[in-house]
Amino acid sequence: DSGVTQTPKHLITATGQRVTLRCSPRSGDLSVYWYQQSLDQGLQFLIQYYNGEERAKGNILERFSAQQFPDLHSELNLSSLELGDSALYFCASSAPGLAGAKQYFGPGTRLTVT
Amino acid sequence: AQKVTQAQTEISVVEKEDVTLDCVYETRDTTYYLFWYKQPPSGELVFLIRRNSFDEQNEISGRYSWNFQKSTSSFNFTITASQVVDSAVYFCALSEAGRAQKLVFGQGTRLTINP
Repeated sequence: DSGVTQTPKHLITATGQRVTLRCSPRSGDLSVYWYQQSLDQGLQFLIQYYNGEERAKGNILERFSAQQFPDLHSELNLSSLELGDSALYFCASSAPGLAGAKQYFGPGTRLTVT
Repeated sequence: AQKVTQAQTEISVVEKEDVTLDCVYETRDTTYYLFWYKQPPSGELVFLIRRNSFDEQNEISGRYSWNFQKSTSSFNFTITASQVVDSAVYFCALSEAGRAQKLVFGQGTRLTINP
């Protein structure tokens, strides 16, 4: 158990809908990262937050947005869903102030868009 | 730009064989970090090792060993006396030492250990 929790574990929804994925980092970790794992794109970085502020953005679609709340949990919002958004979405967290810190991954949320 | 290449898409060996998973990376930074993660069939990502660019010492942990060679930009992973439980997808990843510490992953190598 990495200490990172993600809910829900599975999500099935229809095209055009909007969903919210939730992540709680390990106790004490200030950084939260979101990654998408799909068959065609592999594991890709989406976005990073550090202590409530956006720190880095990867190949995140404009239809996707995220935020980190004062209690450090994070949410990834996916809207106008398309079939191609079906993927496993991982959240990870890392300790503050350490360059190249190990990232602890949650169990992932498997999103299926039908 | 950062890039990680795992040229071996799939490897299949018989139990007790030794197997090496290759990883080649590209980065312009002089300070960077390399990682290996394991993704078993259950789907979670399990951290195996982290190595910084200034530490080229090879590492051994039980049946696992890692060979880091800056001269060839490689960070290879060897499993000795493989076991069925080693069957998984293995990812090599790179992180630069900057404000953003995102991981750039290779495409992964699916390792199957047959009894």
